[in-house]
Amino acid sequence: LAKTTQPISMDSYEGQEVNITCSHNNIATNDYITWYQQFPSQGPRFIIQGYKTKVTNEVASLFIPADRKSSTLSLPRVSLSDTAVYYCLVGPVSGGYNKLIFGAGTRLAVHP
Amino acid sequence: DVKVTQSSRYLVKRTGEKVFLECVQDMDHENMFWYRQDPGLGLRLIYFSYDVKMKEKGDIPEGYSVSREKKERFSLILESASTNQTSMYLCASSLEGELNQPQHFGDGTRLSIL
Repeated sequence: LAKTTQPISMDSYEGQEVNITCSHNNIATNDYITWYQQFPSQGPRFIIQGYKTKVTNEVASLFIPADRKSSTLSLPRVSLSDTAVYYCLVGPVSGGYNKLIFGAGTRLAVHP
Repeated sequence: DVKVTQSSRYLVKRTGEKVFLECVQDMDHENMFWYRQDPGLGLRLIYFSYDVKMKEKGDIPEGYSVSREKKERFSLILESASTNQTSMYLCASSLEGELNQPQHFGDGTRLSIL
């Protein structure tokens, strides 16, 4: 199983770009990288997923280097409402859902 | 819009009671999941189901069972509740197919066992 390592917490200010890096040194060839966001008192919400290079949607960008041993979630111009816990998951497209592991996540605090 | 509804936001039960947590999804998803979330441990998979009456154990199934009699409903059962089962419980659903299909979560049930 590909283990992920993320910072426990990060602080930022409104209007800044935030980059959260996830390390996954033993990622396998058929593993995807997925990020979820969890607000207080809510369940996690899917935000972005990628396999290699760069993926962008209306919420975030995901940068994956060629060796795929890490990935970076980029949140442009954060606001107070981006305060949440962000989870990085690495897992295959098949083989059992217990291979998708939600770690402790990164707690992002955005300040005025 | 996708909706996963958990029957209770907060629940308080006593040690030894049989506890039922209910989850309903309105997206016609084949897959449904139960997780528990504890501080510092992230989410841990208890059970998942990929079809009616089908279930698979996750990482921590001990002390739990599940029931899926209809496609839209997935129940988590604590056979004899214990204090170490005090936790936040999250239900999720996803389309069938590859594991990287996004999971859609409910808002959780915070269960306290006294």
